[in-house]
Amino acid sequence: DAKTTQPTSMDCAEGRAANLPCNHSTISGNEYVYWYRQIHSQGPQYIIHGLKNNETNEMASLIITEDRKSSTLILPHATLRDTAVYYCIVSNFNKFYFGSGTKLNVKP
Amino acid sequence: KAGVTQTPRYLIKTRGQQVTLSCSPISGHRSVSWYQQTPGQGLQFLFEYFSETQRNKGNFPGRFSGRQFSNSRSEMNVSTLELGDSALYLCASSLVVSGSNEQFFGPGTRLTVL
Repeated sequence: DAKTTQPTSMDCAEGRAANLPCNHSTISGNEYVYWYRQIHSQGPQYIIHGLKNNETNEMASLIITEDRKSSTLILPHATLRDTAVYYCIVSNFNKFYFGSGTKLNVKP
Repeated sequence: KAGVTQTPRYLIKTRGQQVTLSCSPISGHRSVSWYQQTPGQGLQFLFEYFSETQRNKGNFPGRFSGRQFSNSRSEMNVSTLELGDSALYLCASSLVVSGSNEQFFGPGTRLTVL
């Protein structure tokens, strides 16, 4: 039921920006794009979400294309502690369908 | 503010038994969702409760059930356990009732069925 497509894994050098893409071509007009991450088997951690406009918070930036069919999560200065599985989710209610996510490996 | 808490953190059961897991949401949060995470299927939505009513439901058999109390605490129950029910069960709470909302996840309950 996941409505998103993400690369299985990505590498990023420590201190560099990590850009994680997500395709959600069937997104509906009232659905939001959420990003979460999960480190080991801890509970997923909320990162950011948006509807149409780009968003930024203390953790990351979210860039949503004008047609809303894809988005990119940007971690501006990746650290080793950012190594995790990152999930992109589209939802307009409390019914999240997680895909397989992207395993981000931050390397020294 | 305390986060989402789940009890117990670890549980071992045998096939055929039943189990009840508990979730206490963040204070003031009225929506509680449950998820199952397994290596093969990933994170799957079970159901969501709001104001003591099940509002959303995923594609799980009737052996999986839940409820929510007036203080927003929630329990989920799995009856007639099967080996495939071994998983990490995650609970998440949220404040906003519709549209845009952040779900805050607990640490999960690791269930092992022998």
